[in-house]
Amino acid sequence: SQQGEEDPQALSIQEGENATMNCSYKTSINNLQWYRQNSGRGLVHLILIRSNEREKHSGRLRVTLDTSKKSSSLLITASRAADTASYFCATDGGYNQGGKLIFGQGTELSVKP
Amino acid sequence: DAMVIQNPRYQVTQFGKPVTLSCSQTLNHNVMYWYQQKSSQAPKLLFHYYDKDFNNEADTPDNFQSRRPNTSFCFLDIRSPGLGDAAMYLCATSRDRREFQFFGPGTRLTVL
Repeated sequence: SQQGEEDPQALSIQEGENATMNCSYKTSINNLQWYRQNSGRGLVHLILIRSNEREKHSGRLRVTLDTSKKSSSLLITASRAADTASYFCATDGGYNQGGKLIFGQGTELSVKP
Repeated sequence: DAMVIQNPRYQVTQFGKPVTLSCSQTLNHNVMYWYQQKSSQAPKLLFHYYDKDFNNEADTPDNFQSRRPNTSFCFLDIRSPGLGDAAMYLCATSRDRREFQFFGPGTRLTVL
């Protein structure tokens, strides 16, 4: 069954605004990861947050994790047109899943200049 | 410098004609993965190698096979492609199973 579900499916904002994407999952995890995918390209790793962490920052990215609610959010601050891409969360499914990643359906972000 | 390389970037094949996609890595990672991604969908794991240990997903069709002759290379063989196999195929590597993954640019497969 799908591990990660993302919300919203699509998000359109103006340059300079913040973008927030949410991810929910069903089972226990060791870590949760966020990836970015430009149209027709491979995925690029953004941030990995472990189950014992609550918040992590990388440049304009901020990721939070709430294991009690089985949810995570990705915040992109001061968005740029170049941030236009699909964003996927992925969970490792815990030890009984052999550590493989299961991806959510993704959020398609459009940042208009 | 390219770290995960996939060839070709675009592959056209005919219905039922076997096709092989290749992936190589310069990262010396233990784990290599193959994903299938259809339009506007999440990547779906087909199988992965942990070193030489092959791990097939339960719902991966028998039509899909893989080979990893050495640490650097991994191949995806589609024995008899159907129209439903048209997709982007992504190769990825990671140092260990629970680490983040490095993806190649993908091979877009068209089946005529």
